[in-house]
Amino acid sequence: DGGITQSPKYLFRKEGQNVTLSCEQNLNHDAMYWYRQDPGQGLRLIYYSQIVNDFQKGDIAEGYSVSREKKESFPLTVTSAQKNPTAFYLCASAGGSSYEQYFGPGTRLTVT
Amino acid sequence: GQQLNQSPQSMFIQEGEDVSMNCTSSSIFNTWLWYKQDPGEGPVLLIALYKAGELTSNGRLTAQFGITRKDSFLNISASIPSDVGIYFCAGQLRGGGSNYKLTFGKGTLLTVNP
Repeated sequence: DGGITQSPKYLFRKEGQNVTLSCEQNLNHDAMYWYRQDPGQGLRLIYYSQIVNDFQKGDIAEGYSVSREKKESFPLTVTSAQKNPTAFYLCASAGGSSYEQYFGPGTRLTVT
Repeated sequence: GQQLNQSPQSMFIQEGEDVSMNCTSSSIFNTWLWYKQDPGEGPVLLIALYKAGELTSNGRLTAQFGITRKDSFLNISASIPSDVGIYFCAGQLRGGGSNYKLTFGKGTLLTVNP
């Protein structure tokens, strides 16, 4: 089955710890994205990557880091510098002749 | 970052009623996308629009790409309980170095009373 997987579905961490969220796609898409969703805020872009070994900051990149070593994978690290890390995190990908973004199921991160 | 103005923010309707929602932008787009998100899940793409004036249907859903390229509309006919969720619009301006980057509206929360 082609698609985007995110793991884990729920993640709990203590304040001050870094945490890495996984995103994998087997759609052969070039571009991948990370969004943060808070109640009533819609989707806000954290980072995106259009090609392996290259990525750009989105609108709210502070306190986050990413890597793109493989086409299929785009992990997001939420660092201790992120002031309000508790949120729902969504990964998406897009590619080919279509500009449509397809989303994974999301990871809900809770930091206490 | 730029955001689209999506309205209404929420809607409460009776099963069987029709629904309309829209998005407007101060900038032009050459792609409009509509997504639906169920609670705790990722958004699912409903309809994609690529041409100004285009009208596209997907079952009971119909979406239109505004002729000015600054707005889009989504209509749901004969609503059913499973239509409940948050509906997002997203606009894209292709070109430059951000061919795949989308700008999202804040969503319309739809509640359907059976």
